[in-house]
Amino acid sequence: AQSVTQLGSHVSVSEGALVLLRCNYSSSVPPYLFWYVQYPNQGLQLLLKYTSAATLVKGINGFEAEFKKSETSFHLTKPSAVMSVAAECFCAVSATGGFKTIFGAGTRLFVKA
Amino acid sequence: DVKVTQSSRYLVKRTGEKVFLECVQDMDHENMFWYRQDPGLGLRLIYFSYDVKMKEKGDIPEGYSVSREKKERFSLILESASTNQTSMYLCASSGVSDTQYFGPGTRLTVL
Repeated sequence: AQSVTQLGSHVSVSEGALVLLRCNYSSSVPPYLFWYVQYPNQGLQLLLKYTSAATLVKGINGFEAEFKKSETSFHLTKPSAVMSVAAECFCAVSATGGFKTIFGAGTRLFVKA
Repeated sequence: DVKVTQSSRYLVKRTGEKVFLECVQDMDHENMFWYRQDPGLGLRLIYFSYDVKMKEKGDIPEGYSVSREKKERFSLILESASTNQTSMYLCASSGVSDTQYFGPGTRLTVL
């Protein structure tokens, strides 16, 4: 069985500050891990994914995430936040080769001037 | 560019109506999914399909059914809409890479 926990339903940072969105997962088999982003009135789009290659994964728009097996974590970071519309970020886990993906509850990211 | 389209962005229906939500993908993906998205609950899987005419229940299938007659099209059916089915419905597809590609969503209101 798999599950995902995202710590914090809302995160607010100042422009230029570090963005850190936390995700912990549970999986009985080696997982694939994903971060997706959703902008207002749009579907989700992939930010990055981990598939058992490098543990530090780089994605689009300067985002990256590190897979830490010992901590069962896959936190999303961005060194310097950029002002934009508020977005919701979802962490997700699937079993290698499986059909189903389990999504976290989401974290809404606000970047203020 | 990959594309998943959904038949309506906004839909308003009355309690008891039969509702059809259509999803089409142009990526020749084997797998297609229907989720509902509610605040604080993230995405919850309703049904998925890994091949034409094949379907599997997700986590919350009650009150819903699906149809996949062609590879590119996956329909979600609400047999008798109820107010607790008011939600955002998201369709997605995936191929061998496990990455899911999402449509823009349909915001359904049941009055």
